[in-house]
Amino acid sequence: GAGVSQSPSNKVTEKGKDVELRCDPISGHTALYWYRQRLGQGLEFLIYFQGNSAPDKSGLPSDRFSAERTGESVSTLTIQRTQQEDSAVYLCASSQGPEGEKLFFGSGTQLSVL
Amino acid sequence: GESVGLHLPTLSVQEGDNSIINCAYSNSASDYFIWYKQESGKGPQFIIDIRSNMDKRQGQRVTVLLNKTVKHLSLQIAATQPGDSAVYFCAETAPLYAGGTSYGKLTFGQGTILTVHP
Repeated sequence: GAGVSQSPSNKVTEKGKDVELRCDPISGHTALYWYRQRLGQGLEFLIYFQGNSAPDKSGLPSDRFSAERTGESVSTLTIQRTQQEDSAVYLCASSQGPEGEKLFFGSGTQLSVL
Repeated sequence: GESVGLHLPTLSVQEGDNSIINCAYSNSASDYFIWYKQESGKGPQFIIDIRSNMDKRQGQRVTVLLNKTVKHLSLQIAATQPGDSAVYFCAETAPLYAGGTSYGKLTFGQGTILTVHP
């Protein structure tokens, strides 16, 4: 595709429900990132996939958060038993490879937990 | 842990002025740095990058300066325009292993809000 695509663009859910957020990276990009951005704040690293290497999960805030990636394509971020503090924009980004190339970001999913 | 931070959270300038946004980083192993611009409701957009073997790099109306001695990065925007109003983030990353070519996660700084007044 032309860019990184994320869906849904907006998600409203009730506290305690599970949500799945999807990211379609740019075709051919081997690296994929998830970041969280709370209102008016910076980007908080969540997880990083690079090719077939084990993902860097060091940013996941709790075991309620998990992410998967199918090969070098789609990734899904899952938040179980959502809490109000999970409300944020979840941004996905991809890059060409492991050599520190620039990231291309999607527009994000705005998650609101009521 | 290591982090990237910004000196100034907000910056207001007049249209036509030059803007300078600063960033301090703490990971001495970082050797690749990027500036991003984020407009309201959008994901960050790449502006310019620089590797540690350079001190300066220029783009269209933007210049990035890197001072490795004091671990400082700056973004200069010439003839700032209202369309430049956004949040600007610096980001850094380091090789997973010394001398390696595979990089770890990109770490972002706090961000600076740039407001350009007509």
